[in-house]
Amino acid sequence: NAGVTQTPKFRVLKTGQSMTLLCAQDMNHEYMYWYRQDPGMGLRLIHYSVGEGTTAKGEVPDGYNVSRLKKQNFLLGLESAAPSQTSVYFCASSYPGQGNSYEQYFGPGTRLTVT
Amino acid sequence: AQSVTQLGSHVSVSEGALVLLRCNYSSSVPPYLFWYVQYPNQGLQLLLKYTSAATLVKGINGFEAEFKKSETSFHLTKPSAHMSDAAEYFCAVRGVWTGANSKLTFGKGITLSVRP
Repeated sequence: NAGVTQTPKFRVLKTGQSMTLLCAQDMNHEYMYWYRQDPGMGLRLIHYSVGEGTTAKGEVPDGYNVSRLKKQNFLLGLESAAPSQTSVYFCASSYPGQGNSYEQYFGPGTRLTVT
Repeated sequence: AQSVTQLGSHVSVSEGALVLLRCNYSSSVPPYLFWYVQYPNQGLQLLLKYTSAATLVKGINGFEAEFKKSETSFHLTKPSAHMSDAAEYFCAVRGVWTGANSKLTFGKGITLSVRP
């Protein structure tokens, strides 16, 4: 199993450009999440999905859109990138697991710089 | 809503010394609690989790954490630090009532440095 994979690993965008980050998991997990990580801020939830075809807003959703057309994929889109979106983006997936803990499994991250 | 507080942003210990990383949570009922570790330029890896089965939880790499309801704490410890333990550590909480939403709330993280 590859677990959770993210594409691309690095990207530099100019202000106003758009891009899509791809997250894929091969563990048949129902739940998937997108976080951003900034120094001193921990991880903040952008959007999440509780199943194929469903998405919901997290803590910091503005400027981002998501889609979950297939169970194994969760896409994060930036329609018009801004320097404030410079960050490291992590995708995660989860399932109920032992004791219904819903522990999350993380991808390796995408480092995005917006100039 | 639940929240997590990790006091301090940086802890430095000598190799072989005790590691203690503090985590306090805010929740009206005992939640699910997690510790994750992040090595440089990598994703997060689960160290251990509390699911109400036992208050003392043992994880990977010799780490353990004790759930103390009276203190609303879930501190992470390791008896003897290794150089390879240098990383960033995150405490996270999930409320038992969130069900299918299963969202985690993370603390801001603590960077652990290990001195030779």
